[in-house]
Amino acid sequence: DTEVTQTPKHLVMGMTNKKSLKCEQHMGHRAMYWYKQKAKKPPELMFVYSYEKLSINESVPSRFSPECPNSSLLNLHLHALQPEDSALYLCASSRTSYNEQFFGPGTRLTVL
Amino acid sequence: GQQLNQSPQSMFIQEGEDVSMNCTSSSIFNTWLWYKQDPGEGPVLLIALYKAGELTSNGRLTAQFGITRKDSFLNISASIPSDVGIYFCAGQGAQKLVFGQGTRLTINP
Repeated sequence: DTEVTQTPKHLVMGMTNKKSLKCEQHMGHRAMYWYKQKAKKPPELMFVYSYEKLSINESVPSRFSPECPNSSLLNLHLHALQPEDSALYLCASSRTSYNEQFFGPGTRLTVL
Repeated sequence: GQQLNQSPQSMFIQEGEDVSMNCTSSSIFNTWLWYKQDPGEGPVLLIALYKAGELTSNGRLTAQFGITRKDSFLNISASIPSDVGIYFCAGQGAQKLVFGQGTRLTINP
């Protein structure tokens, strides 16, 4: 298995909802990442997990809560989001946090 | 945060033409990466460069890691319609990628 998968593909949520994004890889990678991407911009790093531990939080608001249950899975829990949080959310993984990253297809999130 | 200078921002070419884009940085990187992103999809890794001066090909794509470790270019030869998309360069930093702003490639058939 040589890919990163993300579910769901699309998500529409209200500002009072709680939802979660899921990311999975079975390449034996020990680093996983969450990015946020707005239209016509490069991906913007949110969180880095290395060996299942959070190693970087790029000052992300607490309404985004990451979780790494095991070395293959990465979740992003969403609560009380704002319309400006609407974006493409990308997950990536790499062998270690110093190696090239492979991206998933993304989740298109719309906050109403 | 730190960003790479990627140019051009956009290109409009005819099918069959060659394409060249580049990235420069004020900082040294030990790895340069080139990604392609189609609309609504995640970036796909095209080429990874690990050594200063390295020239690497992947089909019609050729990329070079600048000798100063502060720049890289990507060439696409004989462009075809499926080359349309946004191309991002990225420098591998400490646990982070630093991205360029992207080059949007449009091809007229």
